[in-house]
Amino acid sequence: DAKTTQPNSMESNEEEPVHLPCNHSTISGTDYIHWYRQLPSQGPEYVIHGLTSNVNNRMASLAIAEDRKSSTLILHRATLRDAAVYYCILRDPNSGGSNYKLTFGKGTLLTVNP
Amino acid sequence: NAGVTQTPKFRILKIGQSMTLQCTQDMNHNYMYWYRQDPGMGLKLIYYSVGAGITDKGEVPNGYNVSRSTTEDFPLRLELAAPSQTSVYFCASRSNQPQHFGDGTRLSIL
Repeated sequence: DAKTTQPNSMESNEEEPVHLPCNHSTISGTDYIHWYRQLPSQGPEYVIHGLTSNVNNRMASLAIAEDRKSSTLILHRATLRDAAVYYCILRDPNSGGSNYKLTFGKGTLLTVNP
Repeated sequence: NAGVTQTPKFRILKIGQSMTLQCTQDMNHNYMYWYRQDPGMGLKLIYYSVGAGITDKGEVPNGYNVSRSTTEDFPLRLELAAPSQTSVYFCASRSNQPQHFGDGTRLSIL
């Protein structure tokens, strides 16, 4: 499985934008980039995913580098509720058995200061 | 919708005891998963199921068993509890995208 590299932790101030980086230099052409987050004492929740183009939804934006070897999750205005561990995960929907699972690393712990 | 429901939320077991962690989903999802999360770590896949009657091993299946007799339910069984199985257990389900997770079961084995 292609691996991802994320910083262990990042800090932000409330109401400021946050850019969470993810490196995936061994990504294959069919790997989708997924982001999940895990709030304290909760299960992970889906944030966003994309393949090649930048993606936006109500929670965040995903900016994907042209060579797809890195991506950035953008929270436009951080709130205290956004404090969580953010996971960047690669998933190939056509990879047979591994199609069915997500492989979680340690993620990035985001602290939001009031 | 309730989504993915896990019971119990907390449990303390003695070494050698057995128990079943319950997971049920009301979204008619075919795929279901069991993960464990040790302190400060990411989630590791224990078992998964692609539909009723079909299960397969994940990354860390030893010491666990699963069954999938219905679309809704995917229980995880610990037969002989060991201290190494102290962890938080998450169940998840999906149809296409994304995975929906329950709130977890915190299990301590003493």
